[in-house]
Amino acid sequence: QVQLQESGPGLVKPSETLSLTCAVSSGSVSSPGYYWSWIRQPPGKGLEWIGYIYYSGSTNTNPSLKSRVTISLDTSKSQFSLKLSSVTTADTAVYFCARGQYYYGSGSYFKFDDWGQGTLVTVSS
Amino acid sequence: DIQMTQSPSSLSASVGDRVTITCRASQIISSYLNWYQQKPGKAPKLLIYAASILQSGVPSRFRGSGSETDFTLTISGLQPEDCATYYCQESHSAPWTFGQGTKVEI
Repeated sequence: QVQLQESGPGLVKPSETLSLTCAVSSGSVSSPGYYWSWIRQPPGKGLEWIGYIYYSGSTNTNPSLKSRVTISLDTSKSQFSLKLSSVTTADTAVYFCARGQYYYGSGSYFKFDDWGQGTLVTVSS
Repeated sequence: DIQMTQSPSSLSASVGDRVTITCRASQIISSYLNWYQQKPGKAPKLLIYAASILQSGVPSRFRGSGSETDFTLTISGLQPEDCATYYCQESHSAPWTFGQGTKVEI
């Protein structure tokens, strides 16, 4: 069973860059077929998909955040990272890393089947 | 983006009850629908994918159904450990979106 663990500062100042890392164990970020993803949840609210990086290094990000988001992969450390620039208080949330993959049945069905525990990032001066 | 609307937003039921949560998509998404369970302070856990396929290790009292725009998560024989918030998520096209959640209380 793959395990994911987020790490990074819990407090970021407005206009600065939020940086988080997700360490992957009992699995490899270089394995084909997996989409290493970031998802966030503002306090008391629902879930928002931020983006993913594929094992090949290709990325896809939510257009609502696209200009501010950078997702990168470090295969030597089996981890991937999120950078979110120009943060505001609206970016305060629990940030989850997750592993996504496709199930190939009658169609190609994407699912997030493993998640980290999440880390709270507060944007405040 | 595809909008996902869940109902009800919360419900209260007794142990042993049958509970039904609905999720409606703003456009046809075939069977590209997942269900997650989230307990307080924890990460979401995948229950159902492709609308009706039970994730490995998930109790059989959870059942997903539906297609196109209307979907249902049914818990048959509610257990105390099922107290959680349930989210649907469309997997038809990125940016993948989630419903606003349904909180189930015992």
